[in-house]
Amino acid sequence: SAVISQKPSRDICQRGTSLTIQCQVDSQVTMMFWYRQQPGQSLTLIATANQGSEATYESGFVIDKFPISRPNLTFSTLTVSNMSPEDSSIYLCSVDGQGGSDTQYFGPGTRLTVL
Amino acid sequence: EDKVVQSPLSLVVHEGDTVTLNCSYEVTNFRSLLWYKQEKKAPTFLFMLTSSGIEKKSGRLSSILDKKELFSILNITATQTGDSAVYLCAVEALKETSGSRLTFGEGTQLTVNP
Repeated sequence: SAVISQKPSRDICQRGTSLTIQCQVDSQVTMMFWYRQQPGQSLTLIATANQGSEATYESGFVIDKFPISRPNLTFSTLTVSNMSPEDSSIYLCSVDGQGGSDTQYFGPGTRLTVL
Repeated sequence: EDKVVQSPLSLVVHEGDTVTLNCSYEVTNFRSLLWYKQEKKAPTFLFMLTSSGIEKKSGRLSSILDKKELFSILNITATQTGDSAVYLCAVEALKETSGSRLTFGEGTQLTVNP
C-alpha cells in the first residue's frame, strides 16, 4: 500500500484566512482524492485531482473555495479559502491502490479548527 | 444520487460479544464495497468486496456482500476493547468524469466495554 503524509496535521486558523494542506505519496499515483469529514459525520468527497488536468469537484464544492493543485504524480495541495467556523473539519487525502488493488488508502488527515 | 446507509449508527457491547454491522447501498455502476475502521483521523482499510456470497476473513473480522439485495455485513467475533472505533462502509462506483468515486455511509460507532 502507498504511504501518504499530510501537512499540517492540525491547525487553528482565524476566520477569513486561508490554509493550504499538502499531501505527499511515496509512489506515483494517477488519482488523488480530497475528502472532508465534519464533526460527527462521515467522509464527503470534495474533489478528484488528476495530474495535468483540472480537478473535478463534487456537487456543493467549488474551485474558488477549495482550489487544488496537482503538479506531479506524488503530490497535491488543497487550499481552504476565506475560512469560516463551518470549515472546521478533518481533511483527508487518499489515493487509489496500486498493483491491481482497487481500494483507496488514506493519509493521516489534517484537523482544522476555524475560530 | 448514490446512497450508502449503515446500521446501527452506534453500538455498545461487552468484551467477548459478537457484533454484526450492516451496510445497504444504492449506486449506479457498482464496482466494489469497502469496509474501513476509523479510530482517530485516517480510516484504515479492512476489506474490499466485489463478488456476492464470498466471505472475506481477517482474524476475528469477516464480511460478505449480497449484490442482489444490495447489502453487506461486517462481523466481529470475540470483541476486544481495541475494536472500539467507527466502522465505515463505502461503495465504489464508476463515473464518466472521474473514473470512480467512493460514497461513504455515516458509519457505526462501536464501543466495546471491558
